[in-house]
Amino acid sequence: QQPVQSPQAVILREGEDAVINCSSSKALYSVHWYRQKHGEAPVFLMILLKGGEQKGHDKISASFNEKKQQSSLYLTASQLSYSGTYFCGTHHSGAGSYQLTFGKGTKLSVIP
Amino acid sequence: DSGVTQTPKHLITATGQRVTLRCSPRSGDLSVYWYQQSLDQGLQFLIQYYNGEERAKGNILERFSAQQFPDLHSELNLSSLELGDSALYFCASSPLTGTSNYGYTFGSGTRLTVV
Repeated sequence: QQPVQSPQAVILREGEDAVINCSSSKALYSVHWYRQKHGEAPVFLMILLKGGEQKGHDKISASFNEKKQQSSLYLTASQLSYSGTYFCGTHHSGAGSYQLTFGKGTKLSVIP
Repeated sequence: DSGVTQTPKHLITATGQRVTLRCSPRSGDLSVYWYQQSLDQGLQFLIQYYNGEERAKGNILERFSAQQFPDLHSELNLSSLELGDSALYFCASSPLTGTSNYGYTFGSGTRLTVV
């Protein structure tokens, strides 16, 4: 089951904050976040593991709510370089589950 | 350069034809994943190999097949191509399988256009 991301798209001015959400209908073992710029490959940002804590990466951080089967990506004081499409990838609990299932992405545009 | 090499970068072929996409994983990575990316569907998982063995299959069509060789490079074969197969095909690698403690490293992709 593909995780659901929201919003589908967001436009920010430099310096503004944004939150991107990722929800799954199945129990999660971990959530990955990736950013893809136009015409390029997705780039790994961070992993949140079941039982783990909120992680951070410069001004980009994320949380993982196991009970709600949700993760949120927080972008603070956005920069032009943050523009791109953000994907969450979910890894589900259970035997034989090895691959990530990605959401459809959230397109983030940061304007001056 | 991510360390994952995909060739060719672009491929234009006619319907009904067969093509092979190649992927060399990052040095030390044993798992290779293939994903298809189209505009409205995002990244769709096709298949995974770990150290030469198939480990997981997604919504991969019967016309598609893949393998991983002893040197760990992988090939994705697409046959009887249809217009709807036009997409960006990504290969990704990670050190292990069965755990998601490591992020995936993606190659730059192969853009397939079927005409």
